[in-house]
Amino acid sequence: KAGVTQTPRYLIKTRGQQVTLSCSPISGHRSVSWYQQTPGQGLQFLFEYFSETQRNKGNFPGRFSGRQFSNSRSEMNVSTLELGDSALYLCASSSDSPKNIQYFGAGTRLSVL
Amino acid sequence: KQEVTQIPAALSVPEGENLVLNCSFTDSAIYNLQWFRQDPGKGLTSLLLIQSSQREQTSGRLNASLDKSSGRSTLYIAASQPGDSATYLCAVVPFTGGGNKLTFGTGTQLKVEL
Repeated sequence: KAGVTQTPRYLIKTRGQQVTLSCSPISGHRSVSWYQQTPGQGLQFLFEYFSETQRNKGNFPGRFSGRQFSNSRSEMNVSTLELGDSALYLCASSSDSPKNIQYFGAGTRLSVL
Repeated sequence: KQEVTQIPAALSVPEGENLVLNCSFTDSAIYNLQWFRQDPGKGLTSLLLIQSSQREQTSGRLNASLDKSSGRSTLYIAASQPGDSATYLCAVVPFTGGGNKLTFGTGTQLKVEL
């Protein structure tokens, strides 16, 4: 069974640009969550999608948005990039069964110059 | 607001030593607790998941315990090896609100030396 796939692995953008990151969950998983990891703040929850609906949202500005498609693949978008958005963005998928083990992708490393 | 703390922040041990990593959380209303490892620049690998109704879980040389009433979990690693060197993170899912939102601890950076 293929794991969680995130593309691209690396991105370099400049301030003010926008970026879209993609996440393909494990086959059969309907829950996809996004996290931002920085040295200063650690791992912080961005949002979770389940069956194309946003189920949970973290405490991030509206510049961060996401969506989920009918095949459970998810994208997150960051508009008007700031230097502080430089981070490792991680995606996790879960079957949403009672056990709820979450499986993470390798992440997308975003650098904002 | 749930806060998760891990002690120590960093740990260096000789190969073969048994060790304990600690995780504490402020709100005991959790659905489950999960331990992960993260290698430098990589994603997270799930190690163990403990449901709120369980006391411990074991996988190979790893044993995780959960004491929900005191807000504590420990990860025990037996006979440590250099390949165990990584950052270990614990994370909790809240009991209410539904969903899979994980609140992560600050992590313990482990180095196992030859």
